[in-house]
Amino acid sequence: LAKITQPISMDSYEGQEVNITCSHNNIATNDYITWYQQFPSQGPRFIIQGYKTKVTNEVASLFIPADRKSSTLSLPRVSLSDTAVYYCLVEEGFQKLVFGTGTRLLVSP
Amino acid sequence: ETGVTQTPRHLVMGMTNKKSLKCEQHLGHNAMYWYKQSAKKPLELMFVYSLEERVENNSVPSRFSPECPNSSHLFLHLHTLQPEDSALYLCASSQGGQENTEAFFGQGTRLTVV
Repeated sequence: LAKITQPISMDSYEGQEVNITCSHNNIATNDYITWYQQFPSQGPRFIIQGYKTKVTNEVASLFIPADRKSSTLSLPRVSLSDTAVYYCLVEEGFQKLVFGTGTRLLVSP
Repeated sequence: ETGVTQTPRHLVMGMTNKKSLKCEQHLGHNAMYWYKQSAKKPLELMFVYSLEERVENNSVPSRFSPECPNSSHLFLHLHTLQPEDSALYLCASSQGGQENTEAFFGQGTRLTVV
């Protein structure tokens, strides 16, 4: 399985915008990119999904450049409750959903 | 509540025990997954079932044995585990065959091997 890499950790303060990147060099033509949030001892929760350019929902935006070899999750104004681990996920091959290495986000007051 | 239920939530077992983890989904999905998450490590894909057939076995030791009796249920049978197998085991389901696949996860089973 090709490695999907993310920064290990990030620190931020309440009210700031946070951008987390994911590198997926071997993404296939038809693969979508999905981001999940995980709190300790819980299963990952869906945040946002996209294929190209920009996607926005009520909690985040996802930016995907033209070559699709990376993606950036943008959290507009983080709060303390956004402290969690964030994973990108790519489908490598038929139904083989592979997670990135994860980014531990710490939001401070 | 994601629609994917895992039992038990916590399990402590000895190295000579045999136990099973259960996963159930009523979302109408046709693909189910087992992931392992060790402390401070990323999620590792273990097994994938599509339409009740195993389509992926990601070099998992034979002491882990999956079973998918129908599209709503997935089991992970455990025997003669090692302490390093202690981890959070997550089940997920998705509607395979679609390009924009969203996976739904259970809460996980926290397994401790003593």
